[in-house]
Amino acid sequence: GQNIDQPTEMTATEGAIVQINCTYQTSGFNGLFWYQQHAGEAPTFLSYNVLDGLEEKGRFSSFLSRSKGYSYLLLKELQMKDSASYLCAVGGANNLFFGTGTRLTVIP
Amino acid sequence: DTGVSQDPRHKITKRGQNVTFRCDPISEHNRLYWYRQTLGQGPEFLTYFQNEAQLEKSRLLSDRFSAERPKGSFSTLEIQRTEQGDSAMYLCASSSGTPNEQFFGPGTRLTVL
Repeated sequence: GQNIDQPTEMTATEGAIVQINCTYQTSGFNGLFWYQQHAGEAPTFLSYNVLDGLEEKGRFSSFLSRSKGYSYLLLKELQMKDSASYLCAVGGANNLFFGTGTRLTVIP
Repeated sequence: DTGVSQDPRHKITKRGQNVTFRCDPISEHNRLYWYRQTLGQGPEFLTYFQNEAQLEKSRLLSDRFSAERPKGSFSTLEIQRTEQGDSAMYLCASSSGTPNEQFFGPGTRLTVL
């Protein structure tokens, strides 16, 4: 079966660092993706990991451990505009399998 | 704007009516996907096209749902005999190949009364 777990909600302070964890158990694996989704808008691509390790892209970094079925998204220097849902997704052969998302609230 | 576009953005219909949504992918993308998203959930895969061929359909895609991509460009998703449980955001995405970095459109929000 397919299962992706991530926390439902998180709160962090402007300027701080937050780590959003994701664990997965899937029948296939074609990469681990993170998307950002603001309320009422479409998901936008943030990062992609296919090999173990850390991928850094500006204020955002994503880590993958395939043996542990684990990934995290790290957001640095939080800004108010980072308040959004963050979706962890596993790539299948022809689709993405999404978790339910983590709603992040950034407070002043 | 050269992103993925969807039309309409909102659709309100009565139970039992048929509805059709359109998706225009990024022009050079040969892969097109439909997802459905309900409140508080992540997108759920419905179907996938490579060019004009529909290569995969989810079990979520009941026989009331049909999707086409006749010329390998735009796609339509039709829902027949809509039910209240069909109320959701219908998202279209496109990509140019594996890995599946998919670019999403703004979605069509369907409300079935």
